[in-house]
Amino acid sequence: QVQLQESGPGLVKPSETLSLTCTVSGGSMSGFYWSWIRQPPGKGLQWIGYMYYSGSSDYNSSLKGRVTISLDTSKNQFSLRLNSVTAADTAVYYCARYDWSIGSFDIWGQGTMVTVSS
Amino acid sequence: DIQMTQSPSSLSASVGDRVTITCQASQDIGKYLSWYQQKAGKAPKLLIYDASNLKTGVPSRFSGSGSGTHFSFTISRLQPEDIGTYFCQQYDSLPPLTFGGGTKVEIK
Repeated sequence: QVQLQESGPGLVKPSETLSLTCTVSGGSMSGFYWSWIRQPPGKGLQWIGYMYYSGSSDYNSSLKGRVTISLDTSKNQFSLRLNSVTAADTAVYYCARYDWSIGSFDIWGQGTMVTVSS
Repeated sequence: DIQMTQSPSSLSASVGDRVTITCQASQDIGKYLSWYQQKAGKAPKLLIYDASNLKTGVPSRFSGSGSGTHFSFTISRLQPEDIGTYFCQQYDSLPPLTFGGGTKVEIK
């Protein structure tokens, strides 16, 4: 079955760039949207954005153009870059598969905690 | 953006009780609503999509209903393994996809 695994630094300095990668195993990336969602400690879920396997993407405008998602289907990976981070970006970051046919995130990674601090 | 308001924010119930959570959308979203369960320290898990369709493998004690702006999620007989936080999510109008604030379910 398809599994997702996030990787990347757990600590990022303010004003720097947060970079995470999600590795997809057990299946193809074709036909789905590949997403990032975050959850600040003790709070709710915020959709960051997604990219379709063919390359089209959408982002949450609340992140004010700081976010980029990219795909590398040859490696079965997709990545998140979030620029100019502040303490407000401290959160657990999840990668997830979005199935358009059911409008839902049907497979999730385990999540990775990223702290923004000097 | 469509705002999703869940209530209550938390509840405590006994094993075997019927538990209902509501989710209200700030505008009509048709049937385009999902429900997730998140256990402590874990990723959310999809339970229901299209307001009332149970994902394959999800126990039948979970159910969802509603359309338009008012939705509900019910656990017919609460089990100890059901403790966690439940979130609704709309997918009628995107971007952005938006989630409700969550309902924490505890055992009394």
